[in-house]
Amino acid sequence: QEKLVESGGGLVKPGGSLRLSCAGSGFTFSDYYMSWIRQARGKGLEWISYISSSGTTIKYADSVKGRFTISRDNVKKSLYLQMNSLRAEDTAVYFCARDLGSIASLWGQGTLVTVSS
Amino acid sequence: DIQLTQSPFTLPASVGDRVIITCRASQSISKWLAWYQQKPGKAPNLLMYRASTLESGVPLRFSGSGSGTEFTLTISSLQPEDFATYYCQQYNSYPWTFGQGTKVEIK
Repeated sequence: QEKLVESGGGLVKPGGSLRLSCAGSGFTFSDYYMSWIRQARGKGLEWISYISSSGTTIKYADSVKGRFTISRDNVKKSLYLQMNSLRAEDTAVYFCARDLGSIASLWGQGTLVTVSS
Repeated sequence: DIQLTQSPFTLPASVGDRVIITCRASQSISKWLAWYQQKPGKAPNLLMYRASTLESGVPLRFSGSGSGTEFTLTISSLQPEDFATYYCQQYNSYPWTFGQGTKVEIK
């Protein structure tokens, strides 16, 4: 069964850091681009970053550029999101997604990040 | 960035109704549009891509149409499991963006 499982969310103070992880299983992880998409409570979806299958191509939304870093380890079948200089407006559920031609074809269950003092 | 505007924001409907959701893009996106369904507390689920291609396993009562700047998602006969929020997403140009969502609720 194809599956993505996120971890690493939690409560962090403004200006703090957090690292999210996403473990893939049931498919050839190294064949796919991967993405992070977030959703603030009661709000819509925001595609914040993607990384190519080899890790050589990376894109960020302007809202996180310079603060967040996406990376992957194909041996461990894992995707990561290093989040620095966190702000209250970064509070959201963070989903990892398998990216198929810029479409999120498989989603994890999400992990909640809360930025608050 | 390309803006996507969905209408209506909420859609009261009954089981068996034909439901139509519209997604308008701020500039032409050809057919590079996907639709997702999201139920409360769950991740979104891909329904359709390239405006009208049904994802594997999605019931045939779902259909999509449109190109350029105007798109529709139609549910031919609403089923109890279809009460959810629906999002469109463009992938014509980065950053990929989503509409604000349309909540299909029980009338």
